[in-house]
Amino acid sequence: QQQVKQSPQSLIVQKGGIPIINCAYENTAFDYFPWYQQFPGKGPALLIAIRPDVSEKKEGRFTISFNKSAKQFSLHIMDSQPGDSATYFCAAEGETSGSRLTFGEGTQLTVNP
Amino acid sequence: EAGVVQSPRYKIIEKKQPVAFWCNPISGHNTLYWYRQNLGQGPELLIRYENEEAVDDSQLPKDRFSAERLKGVDSTLKIQPAELGDSAVYLCATSGLLEYNEQFFGPGTRLTVL
Repeated sequence: QQQVKQSPQSLIVQKGGIPIINCAYENTAFDYFPWYQQFPGKGPALLIAIRPDVSEKKEGRFTISFNKSAKQFSLHIMDSQPGDSATYFCAAEGETSGSRLTFGEGTQLTVNP
Repeated sequence: EAGVVQSPRYKIIEKKQPVAFWCNPISGHNTLYWYRQNLGQGPELLIRYENEEAVDDSQLPKDRFSAERLKGVDSTLKIQPAELGDSAVYLCATSGLLEYNEQFFGPGTRLTVL
């Protein structure tokens, strides 16, 4: 059962563009929504995370927008750089899911120079 | 601060052979996770430890997979016997009380079963 759906599967933008990656979840008990960044041959690394009591969180060039009623959240990368080229995973977790992180299927982002 | 250490980084075995993966967590991290990541997919939890206790192993295929975390520090994940479908990257992650919810991942072990 896939509880977190992520789109698009892949995304190509030019340097300076604003890629947007979307995720939708089903379990209303989820209360923690992180985004992880993964480079080839490396493990995922936490990028930014949000809880449902706020609708937006910004850290540097990365912004999460959260829509609790729609059960959706998205990642925006401002002024994207070639070094941002990586695979991005959204995830969700809640106490009633046993504090288990459920990951989306990932978005492979390519930022062209 | 040293990160999560995993070994080996790569392993190629014949089907039906046993294989073991080792994980050394970040110092002081009490929670340890083993994930499996299939090609082109997100990680899926296999087992979670709180100190030496396995508190969530509902996703671990217990007929062939086993794990242990002696003394609540290092952990080993074993597959015996391996099947072709076990080819994947096996990731270890750990988290501590001060970084609530944040999981720190190791680089993973890429397993190829021939």
